[in-house]
Amino acid sequence: SQTIHQWPATLVQPVGSPLSLECTVEGTSNPNLYWYRQAAGRGLQLLFYSVGIGQISSEVPQNLSASRPQDRQFILSSKKLLLSDSGFYLCAWLTRLAGNTDTQYFGPGTRLTVL
Amino acid sequence: QQQVKQSPQSLIVQKGGISIINCAYENTAFDYFPWYQQFPGKGPALLIAIRPDVSEKKEGRFTISFNKSAKQFSLHIMDSQPGNSATYFCAARGRTGNTPLVFGKGTRLSVIA
Repeated sequence: SQTIHQWPATLVQPVGSPLSLECTVEGTSNPNLYWYRQAAGRGLQLLFYSVGIGQISSEVPQNLSASRPQDRQFILSSKKLLLSDSGFYLCAWLTRLAGNTDTQYFGPGTRLTVL
Repeated sequence: QQQVKQSPQSLIVQKGGISIINCAYENTAFDYFPWYQQFPGKGPALLIAIRPDVSEKKEGRFTISFNKSAKQFSLHIMDSQPGNSATYFCAARGRTGNTPLVFGKGTRLSVIA
């Protein structure tokens, strides 16, 4: 079976501190991976996506960065957090369904609060 | 042209009623239209999806209606229940799975007894 893990589940960080969120997937190879952010009561904002190791596409310029050091690992980082970085961070991966359709599945998310 | 416009922003439906959420898109290259359901504190989960070669797809009490000429699609929840209370997102994407989904802004559905 295919599983996606995110940690930590919750995080409280002071403004100006660094950030590292990790996403790993099991049971699938060479997945496309995505980072989304969801502000409180808001929609899904695509931050980064990766189609392979070392390949990162950035959708929104900001103080966040992403890396993909291994096939099944996707990391979201920041050197200095801002208050506006608070939100629910979701990792997603692309998987193939029956009927030759690919779709995105989401992980459980990390709730980040910047104080 | 990459946007998916979703309405309403919030919806209150009586138990047993029909919930209807609408989405519209501009990009005619979009080829795959999923709906996601999200409960508070959880990641969105795929609910149902459709491709433009069919006009309707039904799974249990959930139905997607698709109008290719109008570039609109909608989610209908029949016999809505309090357990259906959640935020629903429509999305769209081109044929290749390498392009990320474009999401609507979401609809918060409350089903009241």
